[in-house]
Amino acid sequence: ETGVTQSPTHLIKTRGQQVTLRCSSQSGHNTVSWYQQALGQGPQFIFQYYREEENGRGNFPPRFSGLQFPNYSSELNVNALELDDSALYLCASSEQTLQETQYFGPGTRLLVL
Amino acid sequence: AQSVTQLDSQVPVFEEAPVELRCNYSSSVSVYLFWYVQYPNQGLQLLLKYLSGSTLVESINGFEAEFNKSQTSFHLRKPSVHISDTAEYFCAVRGSGSARQLTFGSGTQLTVLP
Repeated sequence: ETGVTQSPTHLIKTRGQQVTLRCSSQSGHNTVSWYQQALGQGPQFIFQYYREEENGRGNFPPRFSGLQFPNYSSELNVNALELDDSALYLCASSEQTLQETQYFGPGTRLLVL
Repeated sequence: AQSVTQLDSQVPVFEEAPVELRCNYSSSVSVYLFWYVQYPNQGLQLLLKYLSGSTLVESINGFEAEFNKSQTSFHLRKPSVHISDTAEYFCAVRGSGSARQLTFGSGTQLTVLP
């Protein structure tokens, strides 16, 4: 059984650029959730995808968007990057049941200059 | 909506001493509760969870947490800590309804001193 993987591990961008982060879910999981963790804070929910549809969204602007593919892997896209977007971006996969448990990947650390 | 409060941002403790990391939550619906651990420059690892049944849950590395509905708490305890337990610990809650996201506390940095 493979765990959750994310790519790239680190990324440096400049303000105004666009970025795409990738996540492969754990075997058998059909749901992917994305979280943003700023330095020194707990993770904040961005959105969740289930069977290729957005299934809930946190308090993030529309320039944060996502996709889920038929193999349940997922992308997080951020347009018009701002300095405050610098953070660790975490992907979590789960099986959508009432008692689902989310398992996290190692994260992508994004630095916006 | 749910919220989580971790009252202690930093907890230093000597090796082999007991430790308690406090977590309180608020929610208008029934909840599921989780503790995750984050080592430096890594993602989150699930430590333990309360979904239903016994209110006392245990992890494989000696941590335990007790769900207390009347006090809306889910404190994490370990009777004897090791240097390797040094990490950031996050308490998280998820409502039992259709909203699937985890709401996290701000974390507690546990530092085990020799």
